[in-house]
Parts: sequence; structure tokens; C-alpha cells
Amino acid sequence: QQQVKQSPQSLIVQKGGISIINCAYENTAFDYFPWYQQFPGKGPALLIAIRPDVSEKKEGRFTISFNKSAKQFSLHIMDSQPGDSATYFCAARRADSSYKLIFGSGTRLLVRP
Amino acid sequence: GAGVSQSPSNKVTEKGKDVELRCDPISGHTALYWYRQSLGQGLEFLIYFQGNSAPDKSGLPSDRFSAERTGGSVSTLTIQRTQQEDSAVYLCASSFGEGTQYFGPGTRLLVL
Repeated sequence: QQQVKQSPQSLIVQKGGISIINCAYENTAFDYFPWYQQFPGKGPALLIAIRPDVSEKKEGRFTISFNKSAKQFSLHIMDSQPGDSATYFCAARRADSSYKLIFGSGTRLLVRP
Repeated sequence: GAGVSQSPSNKVTEKGKDVELRCDPISGHTALYWYRQSLGQGLEFLIYFQGNSAPDKSGLPSDRFSAERTGGSVSTLTIQRTQQEDSAVYLCASSFGEGTQYFGPGTRLLVL
């Protein structure tokens, strides 16, 4: 049973546009929601993360919006750049479950120049 | 400073052979994780080590998979009698306690 559902599978955005990736989760015991960025041939790297007591977190061009009641969270990339082209994974973690991350299936983002 | 390193970076093996994948975590990190990433898929948790506690093996897909962590540092993931469906990228991550998980570059395993 997939516990974190991510959409879209792929996304094409023009340079300067806004990229939006959505995730939904099922387990209300999750207490930490990170987003990872992965370039081809590399391991994922933490981009930004949020806890459920906050509705929004912004770091530079990257913003997480969190809706606890809807059990949804999203990543917004403002002023998208070609260098942002990568695969993005949302994830969720339970503090009572060895801190393992449950990942979404990933979104391949392409930012056209 | 040095990040998480994994070796080999690529491994091609024949069906039925055993393989060992190595992970060197960031120095001082107490927790170590193994994940598997199949083509076009998200990451799937395999196993978790934290200090001297018993490992969480709940994600291992079969008894052909095992892992150990020696001296609280280096970890080895062993796959016995490899099958074609084992072909994937195996990623190791480490963290200091419940902190951020830092991933290595992965080992790309191809079982022919």
C-alpha cells in the first residue's frame, strides 16, 4: 500500500515559471515531510522540509505548503531555472518507526530555457 | 568534508551469484539506512541501523537480503542468489540520530 502519493509524474515548465508538485499521505502519524532533489547519477539531496505544526515554509525560491486537514503538501519552485531540472521526491517519516523515510514515486521536472 | 560513499558504483552480475555492496557513512553519524530505487520508481526502505540497537529489517524483500554494520560505521548489504528483479540502484544514507538523512551516490546493480 503506497503511503505517499506524488503527482505529476513529469512536469515541463518554462524558465521563470512556477513549478508545483503535489503529495498526499494517508498516515496521520507522520511528523516530518522532506523534499529531496536528485540529479542523474547522484543520490537524493535534501531540499527543504516541514513539520505538521507549520502551514508553510520558504527557503529562497522553494516553498512547501502543508495542509494537515487534507493530508496534502506541495513544493513550489518560483522563478524556475534550467538548473532546477531534476527528479523531486516528497517523503514522510514517523518518529515511532525508526525514522525511515517513505518516499513518493518522484516527479521529473524539466525547465526549458 | 567527506559525504557518504558507496562501492562499487556499478555492479554487473549473473543470476544466482551473490553480491556485496558497501557503504561508508559520514563520520560520527549514528544512523545508517539502505534504500532501493528501481527504474523510474521512488525509494524503498530496506533496513535501518541505529547505534547498538537491533536493526529494523522490516523492509528487506526476502531472506536473500541481509546487511550488517561493523563497529558502528561501515555497512555491507549482501544479496544472495541474485535475481533479475534485484536490478536497481541501492542507496545508503546516514544521519546523526533523527536528523537529516544524507545519501550516497548509490550502487547500480544489474543482474543478467
